[in-house]
Amino acid sequence: SYVLTQPPSVSVAPGKTARITCGGNKIGSENVHWYQQKPGQAPVLVIYFDSDRPSGIPERFSGSNSGNTATLTISRVEAGDEADYYCQVWDSSSDHRVFGGGTKLTVL
Amino acid sequence: EVQLVESGGGVVQPGGSLRLSCAASGFPFSSYSLNWVRQAPGKGLEWVSYIGYSSRAVHYADSVKGRFTISRDNAKNSLYLQMNSLRDEDTAVYYCARDRSGATVVTPMDYWGQGTLVTVSS
Repeated sequence: SYVLTQPPSVSVAPGKTARITCGGNKIGSENVHWYQQKPGQAPVLVIYFDSDRPSGIPERFSGSNSGNTATLTISRVEAGDEADYYCQVWDSSSDHRVFGGGTKLTVL
Repeated sequence: EVQLVESGGGVVQPGGSLRLSCAASGFPFSSYSLNWVRQAPGKGLEWVSYIGYSSRAVHYADSVKGRFTISRDNAKNSLYLQMNSLRDEDTAVYYCARDRSGATVVTPMDYWGQGTLVTVSS
């Protein structure tokens, strides 16, 4: 089945830009969604269909998707952005929803 | 306000069964597809199962196929997961999650419950 690969961790200083990648075979042809999960809480959708933001999600969160890599970008990172982030697609070959392994974002 | 509230978790022995429920409110339940997603302690998210708004379409992760059954009762605004032949590796928090659209499977999951913990242990 389809495999999504994320770096286990990303660290960034406050006020800087964090980029979290999600690799997959021709993922640019897929619809990628991103979720944020803080400790002890349920996941929250932060980006859908590659680059759309749900209402209530700050404009600092953006997404892109091309080739074999989708990217979640968080600009002007704040301490409150520290969380695990997961990418997700629908794998039509198996009729499965697939998550990446998750990336822990640490704000230094 | 959209709300999803899971219940039914607990401790069960290997080989045992458990039925999870998810009570929904704040949206037209029968128009939306739903999912179960689980998270083992200290691990990432794992999609478990999907059911379409009319129950006609259901899908399962390979790890649970043949053991778990997803269902819904649109009259009661409720989603269920019947879990049989439980294994140690099924230990996880189980989340109920709504699809943003009932019209396509490529849509994201836009609302999640707070989860219910299932522990499989002897």
